[in-house]
Amino acid sequence: GENVEQHPSTLSVQEGDSAVIKCTYSDSASNYFPWYKQELGKGPQLIIDIRSNVGEKKDQRIAVTLNKTAKHFSLHITETQPEDSAVYFCAADLGGSQGNLIFGKGTKLSVKP
Amino acid sequence: KAGVTQTPRYLIKTRGQQVTLSCSPISGHRSVSWYQQTPGQGLQFLFEYFSETQRNKGNFPGRFSGRQFSNSRSEMNVSTLELGDSALYLCASSFQQGTGEQYFGPGTRLTVT
Repeated sequence: GENVEQHPSTLSVQEGDSAVIKCTYSDSASNYFPWYKQELGKGPQLIIDIRSNVGEKKDQRIAVTLNKTAKHFSLHITETQPEDSAVYFCAADLGGSQGNLIFGKGTKLSVKP
Repeated sequence: KAGVTQTPRYLIKTRGQQVTLSCSPISGHRSVSWYQQTPGQGLQFLFEYFSETQRNKGNFPGRFSGRQFSNSRSEMNVSTLELGDSALYLCASSFQQGTGEQYFGPGTRLTVT
């Protein structure tokens, strides 16, 4: 079955620096790759997603890149701010009509002011 | 639009009891998925419902069940609770079944003693 590996598990950056989180997946049938941000005591919040027919997508300070050949995708956050501190999860779908997502283990991002 | 709501937010139960959790999806969304989140296993898919039918099921024992009503609201039930069932149970709604943006609720924190 699908397996999603996420690195690093923790990441500490200075405010204003960039942060990069990387994920790899195993199932070539996966077509949809969302990223979620989870703050303490809250549910995961969808922050950006990308589909397999696109290589890169950007939304203000957040960008996601996808390399289908290598089966990896990355989240890039530029000009980090303290409010970016949270746990970030990558995920991949199972392809076809199956709606369930397979999640990475998460990256705890700390942005130091 | 109101987001995904889940009730109750917190629950404490004893081993052997059963529990029912409720989820109201975003208005207009017809697909509801349930996930279990634990520190050790991360986010794991339980099942997905669309048009009152279970469409996909994760690798959980039969003690975990669910249903969806005609208004798209969903409930999940766990019978014969075990200590290992302590977790955050998250509900996610999406407009369509299959690959699509999933929006999570705040979760129900279940503690089994």
